[in-house]
Amino acid sequence: NAGVTQTPKFRVLKTGQSMTLLCAQDMNHEYMYWYRQDPGMGLRLIHYSVGEGTTAKGEVPDGYNVSRLKKQNFLLGLESAAPSQTSVYFCASSYRGSSNYGYTFGSGTRLTVV
Amino acid sequence: SQQGEEDPQALSIQEGENATMNCSYKTSINNLQWYRQNSGRGLVHLILIRSNEREKHSGRLRVTLDTSKKSSSLLITASRAADTASYFCATPSNQAGTALIFGKGTTLSVSS
Repeated sequence: NAGVTQTPKFRVLKTGQSMTLLCAQDMNHEYMYWYRQDPGMGLRLIHYSVGEGTTAKGEVPDGYNVSRLKKQNFLLGLESAAPSQTSVYFCASSYRGSSNYGYTFGSGTRLTVV
Repeated sequence: SQQGEEDPQALSIQEGENATMNCSYKTSINNLQWYRQNSGRGLVHLILIRSNEREKHSGRLRVTLDTSKKSSSLLITASRAADTASYFCATPSNQAGTALIFGKGTTLSVSS
């Protein structure tokens, strides 16, 4: 039972390059989330999804796109990476909304944009 | 914008001592959650307390919630070196569906 798996774990990009971060969960959770974590800033919500085929913007969505074509996968895309997107990215999932359920987090992707 | 704010930002104690972390939030909530993050790892869910609950226990963890003061506390009793981590409180957003909004965390260091 893997839980939430994020790939890749580390990546270095040059400014302007694009990439996709993959999040996969095997718990049949409906809700999935992408956060970024920066020193002194805590976790900030980028995008989230309340079910297959749905996505919505979070607190800091600019420069990112997401897709949830399959229930178990939630992809985060950077179309043109900028140094300000250097961060640690965490994916999380929950069975339903946070009113009654805690989140299961992946181990993170450390992204550096140079 | 941050909903929850933890206090203190950092806490250093000896093994066997109790550790208390506080969280204050701004708007009405229906639940509050606490998470732990070990260095270089993802967050782990510790406990969820609902707005109609005043106190909840899980092993050596005790969480209280005071909705009138919009505050919560996490108490870890008889701390161990393995409790060294960052601890975050989280509350449901009023804007992004019910997605959790996290505070900046308290970094706990337990020395042996």
